[in-house]
Order: sequence, then C-alpha cells, then structure tokens
Amino acid sequence: KNQVEQSPQSLIILEGKNCTLQCNYTVSPFSNLRWYKQDTGRGPVSLTIMTFSENTKSNGRYTATLDADTKQSSLHITASQLSDSASYICVVSAEQAGTALIFGKGTTLSVSS
Amino acid sequence: DAGITQSPRHKVTETGTPVTLRCHQTENHRYMYWYRQDPGHGLRLIHYSYGVKDTDKGEVSDGYSVSRSKTEDFLLTLESATSSQTSVYFCAITGTPVSGEQYFGPGTRLTVT
Repeated sequence: KNQVEQSPQSLIILEGKNCTLQCNYTVSPFSNLRWYKQDTGRGPVSLTIMTFSENTKSNGRYTATLDADTKQSSLHITASQLSDSASYICVVSAEQAGTALIFGKGTTLSVSS
Repeated sequence: DAGITQSPRHKVTETGTPVTLRCHQTENHRYMYWYRQDPGHGLRLIHYSYGVKDTDKGEVSDGYSVSRSKTEDFLLTLESATSSQTSVYFCAITGTPVSGEQYFGPGTRLTVT
C-alpha cells in the first residue's frame, strides 16, 4: 500500500533555531516528492519538488533532501522565523495519471519568540 | 492562490440537506481535484476531473458527486449531508498531474449539524 509517514507529529522551537522534519514513504512507482507549507486556515503551498535523480533542493531557508534508496526525505529549516509556524506536508507522486499524489499527515511546527 | 477561488468559504448546514461547493480557476488547467482535510488524516482525494465532463472517483468518494461543465468550474455536491462530512474541503488544479505543480484553493469549511 502506498503510504507517506511524517515525523515528528508536532514540534516547538525557538525563533532563530534550525529544525529538521522527516518523511518516509512507500510509494511505487515513484515519480517525485514534494514538500508543502500550510498556514492555518489556508491551502497548502508548494515549497519544493524533487525527482528521483535530485538529492537536494532549496527554497530560501528551506532545504529538502531525498534519498531514493532508503525512501526518506527531510526538510531542513534554517534560522526559523515566527512566520514558519505552520503545518508541513510531505507528498509523494506516483507514476500514474489522475490520482497521482499521496499525502502525509503533516508536521505542525510552532516557532516561539 | 494561483487563480483559484472557492465558494462559499464557510457553510453550516443541517443533516440531510444538499450542499454544493464551487471551485473556480482562471489558469485554464485541465486537471481539477477535490480533497477533504480532517484532523489526524492527510488530505484525501474525493473526486477529480481530467477535462470537461470527464471525472473519476478518489479514495473517499462515497456520498459525493461532481460535475464539470466548463474548464474553469468544478462543483462538488453532497446530495444529503451527514455529520461525517463536516470537514475542510480544498480544490486543487494542475496542468500535469504526475510531474506538475499542484495549486490549492483557500478551502471551504463545512459544518454539518
């Protein structure tokens, strides 16, 4: 069964600190892996998309890594800001049309001052 | 929100009443999706459309129907709302379902009493 598991479920950090969120997946056939940020009361917004051949992709202070061999990904947030408080969702795309995306349940990050 | 609007944004309705949610896009994307998001679950696909009058079921389609009479509009109907359909509903669009960016609308919060 295609699944995406994220950890931790929630995380609290101080402003200015770094953090890393984890994603493990069992999706076949794999096409790409995405990280989304979802602010409270809003729709998810894409941060990165990585294909099988990409190990790292950055978007400002967000850096995603992908290990296709172990089927693991991480999202590293550098120098966190209060605006980083959100849910971060790992999503894996399978190589099939239409119903392509498998969503993790998300990690809720709270950044405090 | 990438040219996607949802209406209404909030709705409270009674059990047994019909409800229609509307998703409107200005991006001319071929693929449109309806998801629901509930605590403890990732986003789950209800129905999707791959063109005008072309629709298919997702993993949680029971109790829902959809229609797409023109490219820009995708309607989700709850024929007889139940309390289990209380949720936040998101519409999403993409031009390329497997590899392309998927853009989400702002969401509709539906409460069935």
